[in-house]
Amino acid sequence: KQEVTQIPAALSVPEGENLVLNCSFTDSAIYNLQWFRQDPGKGLTSLLLIQSSQREQTSGRLNASLDKSSGRSTLYIAASQPGDSATYLCAVRDYGQNFVFGPGTRLSVLP
Amino acid sequence: DAGVIQSPRHEVTEMGQEVTLRCKPISGHDYLFWYRQTMMRGLELLIYFNNNVPIDDSGMPEDRFSAKMPNASFSTLKIQPSEPRDSAVYFCASRPSGVQGPAFGPGTRLTVL
Repeated sequence: KQEVTQIPAALSVPEGENLVLNCSFTDSAIYNLQWFRQDPGKGLTSLLLIQSSQREQTSGRLNASLDKSSGRSTLYIAASQPGDSATYLCAVRDYGQNFVFGPGTRLSVLP
Repeated sequence: DAGVIQSPRHEVTEMGQEVTLRCKPISGHDYLFWYRQTMMRGLELLIYFNNNVPIDDSGMPEDRFSAKMPNASFSTLKIQPSEPRDSAVYFCASRPSGVQGPAFGPGTRLTVL
């Protein structure tokens, strides 16, 4: 059974710092991996999706990497801003339709 | 595009009552998912549909939970009778066929007293 973990559980950084969020999964037979952002009381917003054949995806200040063989993904946020404060979740999709979510990393960017 | 629409946004009910949550997926999306989010268990898949047909309901916790999708633009998740441990945020998500990931609705926060 696929299990997804995220480290750290919470992170607080001053504005302007570059930071890395980590995601690990136990079964490397994945179809893709997706990073989401969740603001308090809101739904999930997709940030980046990486197919199993890809190594990384970039969108603006965000860069996500995938190392399927080691069961790891990282989300890199450059020049963090207070508006980046949210919970970040990674989810892996198997070759069916099931997405397994990690518990999330709660990020606070202090002005 | 209005995105995935869920109603109600908040529901407070008493134990034993029937609760019905509603979802309108994005037009053209073939897949619809119901998730539940709690502090203890995170996000869990309850059931998903493909072209209005339930495909995998292994995540539905008990027979008290049922879900339907009578047409491509509407789905319901029903809990009867509700219990306090059902209190959670319930999300509906949809996506088209292919590699694209799911789009989530804003969720329904359910409180069972």
